[in-house]
Amino acid sequence: DSGVTQTPKHLITATGQRVTLRCSPRSGDLSVYWYQQSLDQGLQFLIQYYNGEERAKGNILERFSAQQFPDLHSELNLSSLELGDSALYFCASNIGGRGDDTQYFGPGTRLTVL
Amino acid sequence: AQSVTQLGSHVSVSEGALVLLRCNYSSSVPPYLFWYVQYPNQGLQLLLKYTSAATLVKGINGFEAEFKKSETSFHLTKPSAHMSDAAEYFCAVSDLAGAQKLVFGQGTRLTINP
Repeated sequence: DSGVTQTPKHLITATGQRVTLRCSPRSGDLSVYWYQQSLDQGLQFLIQYYNGEERAKGNILERFSAQQFPDLHSELNLSSLELGDSALYFCASNIGGRGDDTQYFGPGTRLTVL
Repeated sequence: AQSVTQLGSHVSVSEGALVLLRCNYSSSVPPYLFWYVQYPNQGLQLLLKYTSAATLVKGINGFEAEFKKSETSFHLTKPSAHMSDAAEYFCAVSDLAGAQKLVFGQGTRLTINP
């Protein structure tokens, strides 16, 4: 158990819908990262937050957005869903500030868009 | 931009045999390198990381990896495979000075034959 929790574990929805994925980092960690894992794209970095502020952005679609709240949990919002958004979404956390900090991964949320 | 190449999307070895999973990286600055393991229906777990200290890095479950700057490689090895090692393995790079995001290779699925 990494200490990072993600809810829900599974999510099945229809095209055009909007969903919210939630992540609670390890106690004491300030930085949260979101990654998408799909068969065709592999594991891709989406976005990083550090202590409530956006720190870095990857190949995140405009239909996707995220935020980190004062209690440091984070939410990833996916809207106007398409079939291709079906993937495993991981959240990771660490103390933040250094590239050699280990990122601890949650169990993931499996999103299926029908 | 950094990148990671894992040679061989599937590797199959017999129980008790040597495990060798290959990873080559591209980075304009000295990198931090990581190996993560993903068991079925689970998140990613850190096996080991290189952070510019010793070039031979020992990790959990008997795995180790050697950083070779001249070959831009960070191959993962284990002297004797166990059935429980069957999983997907990911090599990743994080740069020293920039964003702390991880850039992952495509992954190598390791199968252990009895």
